[in-house]
Amino acid sequence: DGGITQSPKYLFRKEGQNVTLSCEQNLNHDAMYWYRQDPGQGLRLIYYSQIVNDFQKGDIAEGYSVSREKKESFPLTVTSAQKNPTAFYLCASSRTSGETQYFGPGTRLLVL
Amino acid sequence: GENVEQHPSTLSVQEGDSAVIKCTYSDSASNYFPWYKQELGKRPQLIIDIRSNVGEKKDQRIAVTLNKTAKHFSLHITETQPEDSAVYFCAASRAGLTGTASKLTFGTGTRLQVTL
Repeated sequence: DGGITQSPKYLFRKEGQNVTLSCEQNLNHDAMYWYRQDPGQGLRLIYYSQIVNDFQKGDIAEGYSVSREKKESFPLTVTSAQKNPTAFYLCASSRTSGETQYFGPGTRLLVL
Repeated sequence: GENVEQHPSTLSVQEGDSAVIKCTYSDSASNYFPWYKQELGKRPQLIIDIRSNVGEKKDQRIAVTLNKTAKHFSLHITETQPEDSAVYFCAASRAGLTGTASKLTFGTGTRLQVTL
């Protein structure tokens, strides 16, 4: 678990603002994922990347963007187009797609 | 793509009793089935997993069973304790295969409450 980190722990967004959530892993994993979790709800996949310089949309990609320029890093940007961004955001990684996913500690995003 | 259904959505048991959570999957090519535990405000953590070449796996008070023919798998927790209270997620995937269809698909979660 210590091998995957997310920052910040809490993030506040103003109306019309883009914010970026950081996710870093030192596990040498090829695949990385972003999930959104609303209170009392399950895990909804936003974006995932199976390899560097490649990523695919998940089930709720609208209003979000990602990049995968380095194997260790998979930042998520919540754009102003995401009208209801308040949620708990979890990043995960796995050795390859389909294998065990290990989760970061999460970032809680709140709207001011 | 894969579809994973999980039941029940909530489960309340008395301390010391057993708890069973069941999941069904749709993709007959799925071969890896992990279970995660998520405590309130924390990240999901892997507690046990099973691959399709075995029918049962046990780790102390936790066991998972897999029925490939019926395409369902279950989590069994015996002698439940208050610290078992959490949300449990099942998942399924085509591990070892390439392509977008290989990634883990999660169930919707079961909130387990162990009462004294």
